[in-house]
Amino acid sequence: GESVGLHLPTLSVQEGDNSIINCAYSNSASDYFIWYKQESGKGPQFIIDIRSNMDKRQGQRVTVLLNKTVKHLSLQIAATQPGDSAVYFCAERGGKLIFGQGTELSVKP
Amino acid sequence: NAGVTQTPKFQVLKTGQSMTLQCAQDMNHNSMYWYRQDPGMGLRLIYYSASEGTTDKGEVPNGYNVSRLNKREFSLRLESAAPSQTSVYFCASSESVNDEKLFFGSGTQLSVL
Repeated sequence: GESVGLHLPTLSVQEGDNSIINCAYSNSASDYFIWYKQESGKGPQFIIDIRSNMDKRQGQRVTVLLNKTVKHLSLQIAATQPGDSAVYFCAERGGKLIFGQGTELSVKP
Repeated sequence: NAGVTQTPKFQVLKTGQSMTLQCAQDMNHNSMYWYRQDPGMGLRLIYYSASEGTTDKGEVPNGYNVSRLNKREFSLRLESAAPSQTSVYFCASSESVNDEKLFFGSGTQLSVL
């Protein structure tokens, strides 16, 4: 069946370093992908999205890469800051929207 | 601009009790959703309302009912709470049902004893 999974449940990085959060998806028919950020005690917040006809999209300090060949999605955060500490999860749309479990990013000062 | 507002933030119920979770959005969105979030699992859709006057079941609708009161408000009701319904509940909205850019509320942490 369909699944969205994350390679790493937790990620710890030094402030100022770049962070890479990975996501695997299994539905090759998925045509749209989203990354959300969820801070403790808050609801998920949209970060960036990408359609399947693209392989890269950049936002402010964030970049999403899509590799359809291996069904892999990644979120890169440049110059990670303490305020980036949160759970990040991806979602894919393959008919319906399916959310991954999330990776907890911890930023060390 | 408040976005999506949920009440209450916390609730403890005994098995068999009923309650209604309230949600309102001020973004003039057409579509609204209720999700639950459990440890080790992704967000799962309970019910959604594509537009005012319509509601549809999501992935995990059993034990829940919803009401789209008007364009702004979408409530979730537990008629007879069960321990399996212990979870964090999120309301969300989007411009349309085809728009996956969801705006979420801050959540309701519900414990059923």
